[in-house]
Amino acid sequence: GENVEQHPSTLSVQEGDSAVIKCTYSDSASNYFPWYKQELGKGPQLIIDIRSNVGEKKDQRIAVTLNKTAKHFSLHITETQPEDSAVYFCAAYRNDYKLSFGAGTTVTVRA
Amino acid sequence: KAGVTQTPRYLIKTRGQQVTLSCSPISGHRSVSWYQQTPGQGLQFLFEYFSETQRNKGNFPGRFSGRQFSNSRSEMNVSTLELGDSALYLCASFIRTSGIGEQFFGPGTRLTVL
Repeated sequence: GENVEQHPSTLSVQEGDSAVIKCTYSDSASNYFPWYKQELGKGPQLIIDIRSNVGEKKDQRIAVTLNKTAKHFSLHITETQPEDSAVYFCAAYRNDYKLSFGAGTTVTVRA
Repeated sequence: KAGVTQTPRYLIKTRGQQVTLSCSPISGHRSVSWYQQTPGQGLQFLFEYFSETQRNKGNFPGRFSGRQFSNSRSEMNVSTLELGDSALYLCASFIRTSGIGEQFFGPGTRLTVL
């Protein structure tokens, strides 16, 4: 099955700085890569996604890049704010109706 | 449009008991997936239902089962509870567009087994 690795497991950044989270996947058949943000006491919330036919996608302060050849994708958050503090999960989907998740990255934005 | 709802939000049970969790997907979504989230194992796929049929299943013992009703609402049942079943159980409403499956999660049910 699909195996998704996510790094780092924890990330502490100064407010206003950028944060980068990286994921690798194993199955070249995976074609959809969503990112989820999970705040304490809540379910994961889809924040951005990218499909395998696209190399980069941006939505305001967040962007995702995909390198299909290397089988890795990354989440970039610019101008971080305290409300960006949460656990972020990457995932990969390969048309088998289930998502394979990374282990998560706990992001802390220091004021 | 209302999001995914899960009930109850919190449950406390003792070992050996059974539990049933409920999930209502986003209106119009016909697929529901269930995940178990624990600090040690992360998010693990349990099963997925579409049109009242289980379409995919993860690697969990037979104590974990589910079903889906004609209105797309789904229930998940865990029998003979063990301490290790303590977790956040998440339901995701799934819609497939242009060959891609987008999943939207509910708030989860926090199950504690004593």
